[in-house]
Amino acid sequence: GEDVEQSLFLSVREGDSSVINCTYTDSSSTYLYWYKQEPGAGLQLLTYIFSNMDMKQDQRLTVLLNKKDKHLSLRIADTQTGDSAIYFCADLYSSASKIIFGSGTRLSIRP
Amino acid sequence: NAGVTQTPKFQVLKTGQSMTLQCAQDMNHNSMYWYRQDPGMGLRLIYYSASEGTTDKGEVPNGYNVSRLNKREFSLRLESAAPSQTSVYFCASSRTGRELEKLFFGSGTQLSVL
Repeated sequence: GEDVEQSLFLSVREGDSSVINCTYTDSSSTYLYWYKQEPGAGLQLLTYIFSNMDMKQDQRLTVLLNKKDKHLSLRIADTQTGDSAIYFCADLYSSASKIIFGSGTRLSIRP
Repeated sequence: NAGVTQTPKFQVLKTGQSMTLQCAQDMNHNSMYWYRQDPGMGLRLIYYSASEGTTDKGEVPNGYNVSRLNKREFSLRLESAAPSQTSVYFCASSRTGRELEKLFFGSGTQLSVL
């Protein structure tokens, strides 16, 4: 079946790195995404990775993909208070032209 | 650009009442989606429309109907609202195709069914 799983909460100290993990079941994934949702707002695309890549870096963000284990992670370096949000992992089921989301990980920052 | 516009932003219904959530996008996107967001369950796909004239069920379609009125508009209807439909509803759109699919989201509708 179609499933994307994430842990619900993560708390990190300001300035540390945050690592948010995600697992998925689709064996034919083409694109995997990370979306960010700030309070009271809709989701915004943060970054994505194509399935033939192992890693993608974009400023403070690093996405790692282990296709064999169907595991995706998002690392945020030097975490700031503005990074407080819910982060959603998502998988494109290109055969059906739809995107399936995980439950979201709420990232909170400690001073 | 307005992007994806949803109305209303808030709504309170009594059990058994009906209502329609409206969504419109001005990006000439082919695909449109309705999701519901519940605590601890992330976003679950209710219905989607891969292109004008087509609609398909998502993960949780029961109790809902949709209409793809034209390329711009995709509405979600609750015929007889139930408390289990209390949720935040998001409309989204995307260009479509086998390439990168970036979803653009509306700001959400908070619906309470009493």
